[in-house]
Amino acid sequence: EDQVTQSPEALRLQEGESSSLNCSYTVSGLRGLFWYRQDPGKGPEFLFTLYSAGEEKEKERLKATLTKKESFLHITAPKPEDSATYLCAIPPQGGSEKLVFGKGTKLTVNP
Amino acid sequence: KAGVTQTPRYLIKTRGQQVTLSCSPISGHRSVSWYQQTPGQGLQFLFEYFSETQRNKGNFPGRFSGRQFSNSRSEMNVSTLELGDSALYLCASSLVTGLGELFFGEGSRLTVL
Repeated sequence: EDQVTQSPEALRLQEGESSSLNCSYTVSGLRGLFWYRQDPGKGPEFLFTLYSAGEEKEKERLKATLTKKESFLHITAPKPEDSATYLCAIPPQGGSEKLVFGKGTKLTVNP
Repeated sequence: KAGVTQTPRYLIKTRGQQVTLSCSPISGHRSVSWYQQTPGQGLQFLFEYFSETQRNKGNFPGRFSGRQFSNSRSEMNVSTLELGDSALYLCASSLVTGLGELFFGEGSRLTVL
């Protein structure tokens, strides 16, 4: 079964302390990897889509990268407002257009 | 531009009852997807509708159903509620069907007692 595994489950950082979140996947023939951010009590908000190994995308303090087996979300000099749960998702093998989501990494950035 | 609107935001039901949740997508978006989010299972796909047709369905029992209207608004229904149906139900819209950026609503939080 297609799987998306995110690690760590939770991460606490001090403001300005850079780190990375991991999303590993097992599907072959990846048709895109999606990153979302979810704040408490809200729906997920789209961040990035990556399609091929080596691709990188950036948005403010966030940079997403993709290899053949995993994706990283790098957070540079985070601020408290970056605190959220970060979700990655992939379309499963077989052509379905739904998304399979990982369980997320809950990031807390302390001032 | 208004976002995805879900109603009601919170509701409490008892086992055996049924519930209907509503979703108004972003204007011009014709695809609506529904997801269930629980602490244990995370986000799980329920179904997707495009132009009033169900295009994909997740691995949920037949008690979960949905529909889409000609104005792209969508409803989902859960009959014979069970305790395990307590969850945040999220609706997402997108411009076209297929893979792409999903715009999520804030969800309807259902508690089953």
